[in-house]
Amino acid sequence: AQSVSQHNHHVILSEAASLELGCNYSYGGTVNLFWYVQYPGQHLQLLLKYFSGDPLVKGIKGFEAEFIKSKFSFNLRKPSVQWSDTAEYFCAASGYSSASKIIFGSGTRLSIRP
Amino acid sequence: NAGVTQTPKFQVLKTGQSMTLQCAQDMNHNSMYWYRQDPGMGLRLIYYSASEGTTDKGEVPNGYNVSRLNKREFSLRLESAAPSQTSVYFCASSSPGGSLTYEQYFGPGTRLTVT
Repeated sequence: AQSVSQHNHHVILSEAASLELGCNYSYGGTVNLFWYVQYPGQHLQLLLKYFSGDPLVKGIKGFEAEFIKSKFSFNLRKPSVQWSDTAEYFCAASGYSSASKIIFGSGTRLSIRP
Repeated sequence: NAGVTQTPKFQVLKTGQSMTLQCAQDMNHNSMYWYRQDPGMGLRLIYYSASEGTTDKGEVPNGYNVSRLNKREFSLRLESAAPSQTSVYFCASSSPGGSLTYEQYFGPGTRLTVT
């Protein structure tokens, strides 16, 4: 079955710490991968996406993610977090077929201590 | 260009009442979606519409109906609300090409409480 797993439910960091949020997917065939962010009280926004090509993808606000096909992973990273990065982060995957729907992980809540 | 808009923002219903959540997008997208978001469960797809005139069930369709009124609008109806339907509902749209695989653009959400 297709699924996306985010094993960290809540991560607490201090400002300037480095961040890595885990995401593993189970999806037959070629996949598209996404990270979305939801700031408190706001709707989901796309942080970055991987469709093909360079497995290291850079997104907005200094975030990046690396697609490692052998590990079925698409972890999100940021070298130095800020208080404004406090949000919930969702990993998502879809297939290449035009009928493939996006499947979301359960989310990771990130809290940054000022 | 407003993107994806949803009304209402908040709603409180009594068990058994009905209501319709409205969603509209102005990006000329073919595909539209309804999700519910519950703590610890991420987003779960209720229904989607790959293109105007078509609708399909998602992961959790029971207790809901949808209407794709035209290319812009996709409404979600609760015929007889239950406390288990207390949630935040998000509408989304994607892609001018009709494929479901592309990134989705989300509305601001409707927070629904059923008592």
